[in-house]
Amino acid sequence: DAKTTQPTSMDCAEGRAANLPCNHSTISGNEYVYWYRQIHSQGPQYIIHGLKNNETNEMASLIITEDRKSSTLILPHATLRDTAVYYCIVRLSGGYQKVTFGIGTKLQVIP
Amino acid sequence: DAGVTQSPTHLIKTRGQQVTLRCSPKSGHDTVSWYQQALGQGPQFIFQYYEEEERQRGNFPDRFSGHQFPNYSSELNVNALLLGDSALYLCASSSTREQFFGPGTRLTVL
Repeated sequence: DAKTTQPTSMDCAEGRAANLPCNHSTISGNEYVYWYRQIHSQGPQYIIHGLKNNETNEMASLIITEDRKSSTLILPHATLRDTAVYYCIVRLSGGYQKVTFGIGTKLQVIP
Repeated sequence: DAGVTQSPTHLIKTRGQQVTLRCSPKSGHDTVSWYQQALGQGPQFIFQYYEEEERQRGNFPDRFSGHQFPNYSSELNVNALLLGDSALYLCASSSTREQFFGPGTRLTVL
């Protein structure tokens, strides 16, 4: 799996958009960008994934650059419940693929 | 659907003991993976079971072993516990399209 680089921590004001960056310059053509989050002492939760097009679901939006070397996860209106560690992962698609986690970004949403 | 369930929630053991952790996958999922998450770190892949066989394994010693039952549930066994085995142990179940994580078992080794 390709390696990713994320900031260690970020703050965001409640109600504002949270933009979490991720660099994955060694991504290969068949690897997807996945985002998970982990609220304190719970299991990781899947958020969104994409190959090369921007994606949006009820939780977030994923913006992938044209060269696919970086991406941004956007939480449009952050709430206190979005405080968590966010992991950007590059891997092959499919539920059977093991997930290689890094340290992630600790997002603190501030009232 | 209860999703992925794990038991026990918390466990305290002493060095040298053995421990068994259990996981029931999400309905319809046939593959179970186990991860170890030390404090302040991301989860690390231990191994994956499919059709009652270990299919993939991460960089963990043989003290870590597992089993999958015909109903797809799984156990993680750790022998000769070390202080460094203290961690959150996560189970994830998969179908071809998706993977879901359970809430984890917090193991403390004293």
